[in-house]
Amino acid sequence: GENVEQHPSTLSVQEGDSAVIKCTYSDSASNYFPWYKQELGKRPQLIIDIRSNVGEKKDQRIAVTLNKTAKHFSLHITETQPEDSAVYFCAARDFGNEKLTFGTGTRLTIIP
Amino acid sequence: DGGITQSPKYLFRKEGQNVTLSCEQNLNHDAMYWYRQDPGQGLRLIYYSQIVNDFQKGDIAEGYSVSREKKESFPLTVTSAQKNPTAFYLCASTGDSRANYGYTFGSGTRLTVV
Repeated sequence: GENVEQHPSTLSVQEGDSAVIKCTYSDSASNYFPWYKQELGKRPQLIIDIRSNVGEKKDQRIAVTLNKTAKHFSLHITETQPEDSAVYFCAARDFGNEKLTFGTGTRLTIIP
Repeated sequence: DGGITQSPKYLFRKEGQNVTLSCEQNLNHDAMYWYRQDPGQGLRLIYYSQIVNDFQKGDIAEGYSVSREKKESFPLTVTSAQKNPTAFYLCASTGDSRANYGYTFGSGTRLTVV
């Protein structure tokens, strides 16, 4: 089955700077890679996703890049703000079974 | 709540007691999932169901049971065989359209053993 590794587990960034979270996956057949943001005590919410036929996708301050050859994908947050503080999860989809395998999460703290 | 409702929000279980967590969705999604979340361990899959009357074990199914009698409902029972049930439980669903792979999550149930 799919295995997803996520780094770093914690990340502190000065407000206004950029944050990068990286994930690697094991199954070359995986073709869908979402990122979720979870605030304390809340449900995870999808913030951006990318499919394997695309190398990069951007939505305002958030971007995701995918390197299929190396089997890794990254979340980039620019001009960070205090409300970006949360736990972020990457995931990869096991297409044959329609289930997501999640990384272990990154706790991002934005320092004012 | 985005079309998927979990109840109760908080649940307390005594030793040796079975408890059932409710998950209902009105999104007409075929697939539903139960994840367990522990601090520092991310989301681990307990059970999932891609169609009514069918379900598969996930990575940590021991001590849990599910049913899928209706498309809208996917309840999770935490049995007395689950030795460490204290955790945050999340239910999710997804449509079967090739254009929609994302999960919609419920707001979660926090289960505590007392």
